[in-house]
Amino acid sequence: KNEVEQSPQNLTAQEGEFITINCSYSVGISALHWLQQHPGGGIVSLFMLSSGKKKHGRLIATINIQEKHSSLHITASHPRDSAVYICAPADYGGSQGNLIFGKGTKLSVKP
Amino acid sequence: NAGVTQTPKFRILKIGQSMTLQCAQDMNHNYMYWYRQDPGMGLKLIYYSVGAGITDKGEVPNGYNVSRSTTEDFPLRLELAAPSQTSVYFCASSYPGSGELFFGEGSRLTVL
Repeated sequence: KNEVEQSPQNLTAQEGEFITINCSYSVGISALHWLQQHPGGGIVSLFMLSSGKKKHGRLIATINIQEKHSSLHITASHPRDSAVYICAPADYGGSQGNLIFGKGTKLSVKP
Repeated sequence: NAGVTQTPKFRILKIGQSMTLQCAQDMNHNYMYWYRQDPGMGLKLIYYSVGAGITDKGEVPNGYNVSRSTTEDFPLRLELAAPSQTSVYFCASSYPGSGELFFGEGSRLTVL
């Protein structure tokens, strides 16, 4: 059983649409990372959050620790948002190496 | 700042050859990590380090070795390359408490 499940696996949207990517996990965590992997392969950290909500530009991340669920929202999507978005729960109460990565959601935004 | 620098970006090895993937960061981060990414799979932790002189195994350490003699450098060594080690390797670093991970650009390794 996968400890981290992301949905959807693939998502195609029209420019301007509101995007939601979901992440559910089965392990106890103290924080969760959202990462963006560009088509060229590079990985960028978007958020780390342990409760509530964080916003950066058109990106919003929310987490519900009790329900073991996090969402990443993109408002007014743009073709440059096309990338793979990766959810990674972390247990920083244990080892610093304890991140578990989802397989990612591949987003394609059409003009 | 250069951030996290990985070399080489691409490499083809023959079965049984050895090589070292280099990783260096100039942000004075204590924590450094090596991950591998296989097609359609999530990143898997190979080894990590919480400071100079300290390393520990991750989820998939077999076939690899690391060292951390300085804060800046965290090389990953493949001793006897096998086709199962064909993958994209990412080095990352972070500072305690900040949470933000900084990734290198990745190294694509093919073992034939």
